[in-house]
Amino acid sequence: QQQVKQSPQSLIVQKGGISIINCAYENTAFDYFPWYQQFPGKGPALLIAIRPDVSEKKEGRFTISFNKSAKQFSLHIMDSQPGDSATYFCAASSDAGNMLTFGGGTRLMVKP
Amino acid sequence: GAVVSQHPSWVICKSGTSVKIECRSLDFQATTMFWYRQFPKQSLMLMATSNEGSKATYEQGVEKDKFLINHASLTLSTLTVTSAHPEDSSFYICSALVAGTGELFFGEGSRLTVL
Repeated sequence: QQQVKQSPQSLIVQKGGISIINCAYENTAFDYFPWYQQFPGKGPALLIAIRPDVSEKKEGRFTISFNKSAKQFSLHIMDSQPGDSATYFCAASSDAGNMLTFGGGTRLMVKP
Repeated sequence: GAVVSQHPSWVICKSGTSVKIECRSLDFQATTMFWYRQFPKQSLMLMATSNEGSKATYEQGVEKDKFLINHASLTLSTLTVTSAHPEDSSFYICSALVAGTGELFFGEGSRLTVL
């Protein structure tokens, strides 16, 4: 059973546009929701993370929106750049220290 | 963020040999490390959870005798692929948990090719 569903699987955005990736989870015990960015041949890098006590978190061009009642969270990349082209994974875990459950990933391509 | 070093970054070996991959947390102590396997264009598949000083916990379907995990210190975990076969060729990634924060940092991954 896939506990974290991520969509879309792939996304093409023009330079300067907004990239939006969505995730939905089932386990109400999840309380930590990070996003990871992975370039080909590299390990995932922590991009931004949120906990359920806030509905939005912004770091530079990256924003996480969190909807606890809908059990959904999303990543918005503003002013998308070609250098943002990568695979993005959402994840979730319950309690600090528990293993993460990953979404299936979204391959983002930002066209110049 | 915290730094996790993984070595080697790529390795080619002959079928039947064993390969060891190291995962080190460079600037923090990691009581828990995780090992993942990733096939092309797919998500990360958790193989096992490695806790310092104790036996690793393997996910269902992962052969513990084939994928030996040792976490002998707070900064080092190793994955040994024993008697490797071509189907073991994959991208292996480790991660280390920063105690108390829930933040997980990943190594750069190790590309294993078994001929």
